[in-house]
Amino acid sequence: GAVVSQHPSRVICKSGTSVKIECRSLDFQATTMFWYRQFPKKSLMLMATSNEGSKATYEQGVEKDKFLINHASLTLSTLTVTSAHPEDSSFYICSASPAGIGNIQYFGAGTRLSVL
Amino acid sequence: EDKVVQSPLSLVVHEGDTVTLNCSYEVTNFRSLLWYKQEKKAPTFLFMLTSSGIEKKSGRLSSILDKKELFSILNITATQTGDSAVYLCALPRGVNTGTASKLTFGTGTRLQVTL
Repeated sequence: GAVVSQHPSRVICKSGTSVKIECRSLDFQATTMFWYRQFPKKSLMLMATSNEGSKATYEQGVEKDKFLINHASLTLSTLTVTSAHPEDSSFYICSASPAGIGNIQYFGAGTRLSVL
Repeated sequence: EDKVVQSPLSLVVHEGDTVTLNCSYEVTNFRSLLWYKQEKKAPTFLFMLTSSGIEKKSGRLSSILDKKELFSILNITATQTGDSAVYLCALPRGVNTGTASKLTFGTGTRLQVTL
């Protein structure tokens, strides 16, 4: 299957700092990528849809100024958690769909963010 | 609003047992149904189902879809401890626009396989 790489896998930071997470599609191009957040023992919650060359679209209740998304190329999307606070601690996962593969999303390995 | 319901929520079995996981759905526009396995990290893709009655198989895992009853099952035979994971069912939302679609996920079934 298609490979999506996410980096870093683990981040520990102090409150007030910003954290950038990268999501790359390694063997295909993705005009659209998705960013999810997952709380312990809960299902994935879609945060936003990242569109190459245009602004991301955010789900209701997700602060766009808090979670900055940049989709600079067909293989890279980044999520920046700005001025992180302890309540932002979570597991963040990205996904991408290769063109022509229907609706299958392939997921990155996820980033566990801990804000102290 | 699209709905995806999985059952059971959790399951504990002994190694060697066979398990059946269920996924029922209500969606405005059905396109496909996806199964994923999630261990400690992010979900890995298992199957995509689009047609009723055609079984998809991969090793000890198999899945089938019933579009009349709006239902899919995932079977795992001769379970092993490595099958312990959360199994997620998901359906794409909305109509096919030619671009990637958002997914509606079920809450998952947490499977634990013990020795």
